[in-house]
Amino acid sequence: EPEVTQTPSHQVTQMGQEVILRCVPISNHLYFYWYRQILGQKVEFLVSFYNNEISEKSEIFDDQFSVERPDGSNFTLKIRSTKLEDSAMYFCASSVDGRDTGELFFGEGSRLTVL
Amino acid sequence: AQSVTQLGSHVSVSEGALVLLRCNYSSSVPPYLFWYVQYPNQGLQLLLKYTSAATLVKGINGFEAEFKKSETSFHLTKPSAHMSDAAEYFCAVSDQPVSSASKIIFGSGTRLSIRP
Repeated sequence: EPEVTQTPSHQVTQMGQEVILRCVPISNHLYFYWYRQILGQKVEFLVSFYNNEISEKSEIFDDQFSVERPDGSNFTLKIRSTKLEDSAMYFCASSVDGRDTGELFFGEGSRLTVL
Repeated sequence: AQSVTQLGSHVSVSEGALVLLRCNYSSSVPPYLFWYVQYPNQGLQLLLKYTSAATLVKGINGFEAEFKKSETSFHLTKPSAHMSDAAEYFCAVSDQPVSSASKIIFGSGTRLSIRP
């Protein structure tokens, strides 16, 4: 069964360092998303992406964050200068059609720890 | 804006007992509603979804949920709990397609524990 894959599964970094989290969405999907979950808290929407541009972003997604689809398969989330509060589990998701049932398929997440 | 409220951050039931996880939604338009499950150290897996086709929705692992418009609820149930059901459960609502990509808004989650 097709699935969303994310790498790395866990990354530890120093505050102020740049981090890139990678995702390979399901191949025929057109819409891509990043969510995050701070330990013990709810899953929060960060950004959605379609046709090589951001469709929508939340207040969390400030200038320190960026997303990119550098080739036909990868979808990346970059944090330019990490802060302690960026420590969280980051989930990538994809969907076939953003206007369909809204069902998103999630990866297993990348845990980011900022020291 | 749409939102969901999950009543009870932690629910504990005995193995074999009924599972009931509560979710109420807020939406100005007919919503798409979902229940996702997160097992320890894993990602989010879709349990079931409501897309207006039928008010009683059956999902994986014996779970089902009923959409009640009059109560704005979408509670998740399972007749008999198994130890393997221990996980975090998230109710979610889909943003309607007024933007170019619908996003899912999650509730705060309910941790389900199963007592032997």
